[in-house]
Amino acid sequence: DAGVTQSPTHLIKTRGQHVTLRCSPISGHKSVSWYQQVLGQGPQFIFQYYEKEERGRGNFPDRFSARQFPNYSSELNVNALLLGDSALYLCASSLTGTGYMNTEAFFGQGTRLTVV
Amino acid sequence: AQSVTQPDIHITVSEGASLELRCNYSYGATPYLFWYVQSPGQGLQLLLKYFSGDTLVQGIKGFEAEFKRSQSSFNLRKPSVHWSDAAEYFCAVASGSARQLTFGSGTQLTVLP
Repeated sequence: DAGVTQSPTHLIKTRGQHVTLRCSPISGHKSVSWYQQVLGQGPQFIFQYYEKEERGRGNFPDRFSARQFPNYSSELNVNALLLGDSALYLCASSLTGTGYMNTEAFFGQGTRLTVV
Repeated sequence: AQSVTQPDIHITVSEGASLELRCNYSYGATPYLFWYVQSPGQGLQLLLKYFSGDTLVQGIKGFEAEFKRSQSSFNLRKPSVHWSDAAEYFCAVASGSARQLTFGSGTQLTVLP
């Protein structure tokens, strides 16, 4: 079975631009979460979606938004990019969005975003 | 609010030596704890998890971790380290309505030949 796939793997954007990152979860998984990992730090939670509804949001500005599609894939959008948005963006999928036993998260390899 | 502390930023061990990576958490309810490993430029791979029951949990690649509620700790151990274990290790706790993961800042492991 394919794991969590993210695209693109790398991209470079200019300050003020907009970016869209994409994630396909493991087949059968209905929940997708997004994390931001700045160099030298642990990942920080941005969003979780389950059955196309937002289940949780981390402490990120409104420039960050996301959505989940009927096939459970997801997009993360960031507007008005800042230099500080440069990071590895990780997508994680899990079976459901509730119940600890089913919330084991499987991570993709991430998208490395560089803002110049 | 929940938090995870990994006191050791960087640990160096010789191949074949034992390893212990420390993790302390702060969480009001019963914690659900995880250890992940990340190789350079890669995503995170789950090593093991604790939900309930036996406080000593076994994971992949020969790793184990022990949950100690009295010390709010979930330390990761391996009896004999291999060169391929060199990576960054993250401890995390699941919490909140979304059961999102709160990660520590990580411990970088270097393995000497």
